[in-house]
Amino acid sequence: SAVISQKPSRDICQRGTSLTIQCQVDSQVTMMFWYRQQPGQSLTLIATANQGSEATYESGFVIDKFPISRPNLTFSTLTVSNMSPEDSSIYLCSAQTQKRLSYNEQFFGPGTRLTVL
Amino acid sequence: GQNIDQPTEMTATEGAIVQINCTYQTSGFNGLFWYQQHAGEAPTFLSYNVLDGLEEKGRFSSFLSRSKGYSYLLLKELQMKDSASYLCALNTGGFKTIFGAGTRLFVKA
Repeated sequence: SAVISQKPSRDICQRGTSLTIQCQVDSQVTMMFWYRQQPGQSLTLIATANQGSEATYESGFVIDKFPISRPNLTFSTLTVSNMSPEDSSIYLCSAQTQKRLSYNEQFFGPGTRLTVL
Repeated sequence: GQNIDQPTEMTATEGAIVQINCTYQTSGFNGLFWYQQHAGEAPTFLSYNVLDGLEEKGRFSSFLSRSKGYSYLLLKELQMKDSASYLCALNTGGFKTIFGAGTRLFVKA
């Protein structure tokens, strides 16, 4: 299994500022993703972080608001830009290691709890 | 797009067996995940089903029927620590994973 760490674990930010969240995986993985989870709700996929190219965003999420980098197979960053209170959420990094077509594993980092005042 | 349905909440008794159902509509998918999530923690991987049938892993088993658009997670010998949310998720094209709303399981003594 892959072990995923995220920094920071939590932060309180002012409206209009930006925060960059870092995600580090302890092994090379095929796919990396960023999710958001509002309190009491399920996970919403923000984007797929592609190594060496632009991320693939889901409907409702755009690069200007959530720029993502993935410079190599074990590291990715998500920036939450020009924050508003509606961005308060838990942001989760995830990595997938598909060993063969018949088996797949996807793991999550511990999450970053963001509060925007 | 995809649509994933799970019951919102379930309650079961310690030592019993509980089955959490998941139905889905999708044009195609690679496989189906089940995750466990305790409050305030990240989801924990439980299982991944590709082919129809039952996959058993200790106290937890997961079943998939592609023709019926149906999966379930079976938890045996329930323990208090099994109280958590259980998330059904589809691994779709591009290998991205889309989650259902989750089922909150309460285990009572």
